Amino acid sequence: DAGVTQSPTHLIKTRGQQVTLRCSPISGHKSVSWYQQVLGQGPQFIFQYYEKEERGRGNFPDRFSARQFPNYSSELNVNALLLGDSALYLCASSPGTAHNQPQHFGDGTRLSIL
Amino acid sequence: LAKTTQPISMDSYEGQEVNITCSHNNIATNDYITWYQQFPSQGPRFIIQGYKTKVTNEVASLFIPADRKSSTLSLPRVSLSDTAVYYCLVGDRGAGNNRKLIWGLGTSLAVNP
Repeated sequence: DAGVTQSPTHLIKTRGQQVTLRCSPISGHKSVSWYQQVLGQGPQFIFQYYEKEERGRGNFPDRFSARQFPNYSSELNVNALLLGDSALYLCASSPGTAHNQPQHFGDGTRLSIL
Repeated sequence: LAKTTQPISMDSYEGQEVNITCSHNNIATNDYITWYQQFPSQGPRFIIQGYKTKVTNEVASLFIPADRKSSTLSLPRVSLSDTAVYYCLVGDRGAGNNRKLIWGLGTSLAVNP
């Protein structure tokens, strides 16, 4: 079975631009979460979606938005990019939101802002 | 929010058993303890999860004492390929609660020949 897939794998943007990152969860998984990971730090939670509804939001500005589609894939949008948005963006999926369901991560999108 | 404390780094040698301890003093009743492994430029990979006592799978064991205020990840006979960052997470993964799972800096394990 295919794991979590993210696209693109690498992306270079300039300040002020907008970016859309995409994630396809494992087949059958209905929950998708997005994380930002800066070099040398642990992942920071951005959003969680379940059944196409936002279920959780981390401490990120409104420039960050996301959505989940009927096929449970998801997009993360970031507007007005800043240099500090340079990071590895990770997507994780799980079957649902039960207490004991571990997350399965993709290998991320490396976003570089010039 | 249940915070965790784990060593920043550890060194070991091939063939040794490695134990990484995580402290989580304010763990709540519904919280599970989950460990992930991460290699550079890859996403974290689930290793093991437990609620109490001992859990063992094909790659690791997780020891949780009765008070659940700490846990120990045990990696038997490590190899060079086990060099990675290991994260301990504690939280209730009920609906929308991924925001409560705090990822710290993890433990950077270096396995030497």
